[in-house]
Amino acid sequence: AQSVTQPDIHITVSEGASLELRCNYSYGATPYLFWYVQSPGQGLQLLLKYFSGDTLVQGIKGFEAEFKRSQSSFNLRKPSVHWSDAAEYFCAVGARAAGNKLTFGGGTRVLVKP
Amino acid sequence: GAVVSQHPSRVICKSGTSVKIECRSLDFQATTMFWYRQFPKQSLMLMATSNEGSKATYEQGVEKDKFLINHASLTLSTLTVTSAHPEDSSFYICSAREDGRGQLYEQYFGPGTRLTVT
Repeated sequence: AQSVTQPDIHITVSEGASLELRCNYSYGATPYLFWYVQSPGQGLQLLLKYFSGDTLVQGIKGFEAEFKRSQSSFNLRKPSVHWSDAAEYFCAVGARAAGNKLTFGGGTRVLVKP
Repeated sequence: GAVVSQHPSRVICKSGTSVKIECRSLDFQATTMFWYRQFPKQSLMLMATSNEGSKATYEQGVEKDKFLINHASLTLSTLTVTSAHPEDSSFYICSAREDGRGQLYEQYFGPGTRLTVT
């Protein structure tokens, strides 16, 4: 069974500083990886996804993520955060063998200081 | 494109009553939809996979008779919480996977429904 770990429950970053959110997954084959963002009381918005090919993936809102198979990681980065980036971020893994279902990490809450 | 709506966005019901939540794919067809539950400050837990024209597949530990799922058309799935109790209070989110797309694993999420049982 696949699993996802987001080691950081909370991260506080100053506006304009860089941000990196960690995601580690466990799955026997090549996973399909996603990052979603959720604002309070809202649904999820897809930031980016990795299916295959280039391991550095560009997403919306200036986010990017890098798939590292050797480290079973798919960390999310943004060079310069904006106050509007304050939200909850979820990493998720999907797999054909699991009936295409998504398994989510516990989430990382990002707070942005002015 | 790829918009998923949910109705209602918030609902308050009394203990013992039933409440229905709708999930619609507005601009695409979705043979498969998913229902998630999210407790405050926690992650999403998959409850069931809803399949148009067939029975839903429930995750382990989810009561089928309590959480009734009906996927009546290619654009609509409903979740009915029967005989609701305060412990059913939660944020329910649906997602849909668009038919015919090459990237089968991308799900589009609805805005969620906040259920409060008093």
